[in-house]
Amino acid sequence: DTGVSQDPRHKITKRGQNVTFRCDPISEHNRLYWYRQTLGQGPEFLTYFQNEAQLEKSRLLSDRFSAERPKGSFSTLEIQRTEQGDSAMYLCASSLVEVGSTDTQYFGPGTRLTVL
Amino acid sequence: RKEVEQDPGPFNVPEGATVAFNCTYSNSASQSFFWYRQDCRKEPKLLMSVYSSGNEDGRFTAQLNRASQYISLLIRDSKLSDSATYLCVVNKDFNKFYFGSGTKLNVKP
Repeated sequence: DTGVSQDPRHKITKRGQNVTFRCDPISEHNRLYWYRQTLGQGPEFLTYFQNEAQLEKSRLLSDRFSAERPKGSFSTLEIQRTEQGDSAMYLCASSLVEVGSTDTQYFGPGTRLTVL
Repeated sequence: RKEVEQDPGPFNVPEGATVAFNCTYSNSASQSFFWYRQDCRKEPKLLMSVYSSGNEDGRFTAQLNRASQYISLLIRDSKLSDSATYLCVVNKDFNKFYFGSGTKLNVKP
């Protein structure tokens, strides 16, 4: 257990519904990342936060996806109008970035989304 | 071209064997490098960072070759518990992490 938690662990939804996932990072970590992973592939970067600021978004993150980290602690990832192609494992990772240190990420257990 | 490429395997080896994986990356400006291990339907877990001078952690040795843009992972005396997928990770621009698709290792009794 790395200390990063995600909720829910599994979500089954019907196409067109909205879903929201939560990530609680390791408490002192200032960076939080969201990734998506499909079967047989490595995690793909979606977005990341430095404290509460969302600094980068991948082009994979269509306008149906939105992420927040309102107080620089937990984060939420919302998918609106889900599509079957959104079915994947959504992984959250956190890290502590300090001057001179390497950004080493620790992953949560993931939320497995199935869109029917 | 993918940022990070790995041989998907699987590598099927007997217990006690030595096995090596390579991973190539496309961007010469990449700054840091890692190996992660991922068990089936679990999250990736950090195995080790990879330093320019090479580094060792018990049975695991990682090497970086910047000139040829590849990193390697050597596992000695393989255990059944080493069976997993090994993900190569490359970081550039201090905030973009690129994962390979992973190399699957099966250690057989």
